[in-house]
Amino acid sequence: ILNVEQSPQSLHVQEGDSTNFTCSFPSSNFYALHWYRWETAKSPEALFVMTLNGDEKKKGRISATLNTKEGYSYLYIKGSQPEDSATYLCAFLNSGYALNFGKGTSLLVTP
Amino acid sequence: DSGVTQTPKHLITATGQRVTLRCSPRSGDLSVYWYQQSLDQGLQFLIQYYNGEERAKGNILERFSAQQFPDLHSELNLSSLELGDSALYFCASGPGSPDNEQFFGPGTRLTVL
Repeated sequence: ILNVEQSPQSLHVQEGDSTNFTCSFPSSNFYALHWYRWETAKSPEALFVMTLNGDEKKKGRISATLNTKEGYSYLYIKGSQPEDSATYLCAFLNSGYALNFGKGTSLLVTP
Repeated sequence: DSGVTQTPKHLITATGQRVTLRCSPRSGDLSVYWYQQSLDQGLQFLIQYYNGEERAKGNILERFSAQQFPDLHSELNLSSLELGDSALYFCASGPGSPDNEQFFGPGTRLTVL
C-alpha cells in the first residue's frame, strides 16, 4: 500500500472564500494522480486525471496542479459555493494499475 | 448518474454467511474495479478486471473473490463473513487505461451482524 496523505482533514469556509487542499504521494514510479469529489449520499465523481509534471487542469472554479518530482498536488476552489461542500479525494497511481486513495479533505461551505 | 449500476443497494446478513454483489459497467467500458470503504478508512482497492480477465489485485482477502462475465458485468463474492467486513462496496468502471478516470456506481452497503 502506497501512502497518500491529504491535508487538511477538514475545512470550513464561508461562501465566496477561495480555498486549497494538498495531496502528497510517493514521488517514485509516478504514473497518474486522480482527484475525485464525493458528495454525501452519492458516489465519487472524477474531477481530474493528471499525468505530467507541471500539469494544470481546470474545470469551472476548480483547478489542480501537479508536482511529480516533489510528490504533491494542490486542488484550488475559487469563490467557494455551498454546493462545493463535499469530500475531495486524491488517488495516486504508480506503475501498477491500483489507485491508492487518500482519506480525503472534507469541505463545508456555509452561506 | 455515472451509468454504473450496483445491486443490491443494501444487504444485511449474519457472520459466516456468503453474499454476492453485482455491478454493471457503463456502456463501452471494458474494465471494472472493486473498492471497499470501511469506517475511518479511505477507499481501498480490491481488484480490477479488464474484458473478463483479472488485471490487478489489491488487499483483497482470500475469502473474497470476483469475476467478470462475457457481458462485462462483474460480481464480488464475499464468504465466511465477519463483522469487520461491514462496509460500503463500490464498483467503478472505465476504459481500462490507468490514466483514464473511473466512474463509480452508487455502492452496496453491507452490514454483517
